[in-house]
Amino acid sequence: GQNIDQPTEMTATEGAIVQINCTYQTSGFNGLFWYQQHAGEAPTFLSYNVLDGLEEKGRFSSFLSRSKGYSYLLLKELQMKDSASYLCAVSSGGATNKLIFGTGTLLAVQP
Amino acid sequence: ETGVTQTPRHLVMGMTNKKSLKCEQHLGHNAMYWYKQSAKKPLELMFVYNFKEQTENNSVPSRFSPECPNSSHLFLHLHTLQPEDSALYLCASSQGASGGPQETQYFGPGTRLLVL
Repeated sequence: GQNIDQPTEMTATEGAIVQINCTYQTSGFNGLFWYQQHAGEAPTFLSYNVLDGLEEKGRFSSFLSRSKGYSYLLLKELQMKDSASYLCAVSSGGATNKLIFGTGTLLAVQP
Repeated sequence: ETGVTQTPRHLVMGMTNKKSLKCEQHLGHNAMYWYKQSAKKPLELMFVYNFKEQTENNSVPSRFSPECPNSSHLFLHLHTLQPEDSALYLCASSQGASGGPQETQYFGPGTRLLVL
């Protein structure tokens, strides 16, 4: 079957670093996406990984290991506005750009 | 502003009502999607349209009927819904639908639906 696992909730302190993990088991793989979703708002695209390794984009970095079915999103220099849900999604490939989402990790950044 | 708009933002309807959700994208994309987001559950893909043609129906009950008159507009027609259909309905679009970084999906703000 298709399965994506992420922690349900995490708490971190302003200015710190936090790592949000995602493990996946899917029938196909055509890349992994991370989205940020603030309460009551649309998910917004953060990063895309299709090859193993680390992709850095400002304060956010995303890592992928295809052999382990594992990814993480790293957030540095946390700010209060980073409090949101972070969604891991795998593109399962095939003829349709079908994204399979995890339940999301709700991150609370505290002062 | 992500370039994808949805109306209405909130909707309350009875089980015998008929209503429609509207999505419009201003990004020049060719693929559009409907997702359902329920509390404590993953985002669930419902339908995919690519160049106005439906390419995916993820075993969605027939009380949900999508319509895609052109690549910029997508509708979801609702009829005789159940209380368990209450959720956030999200629309998304992408340049194409074959996967890869160029197919990043951009989401609208969603319609919060409550079925009484």
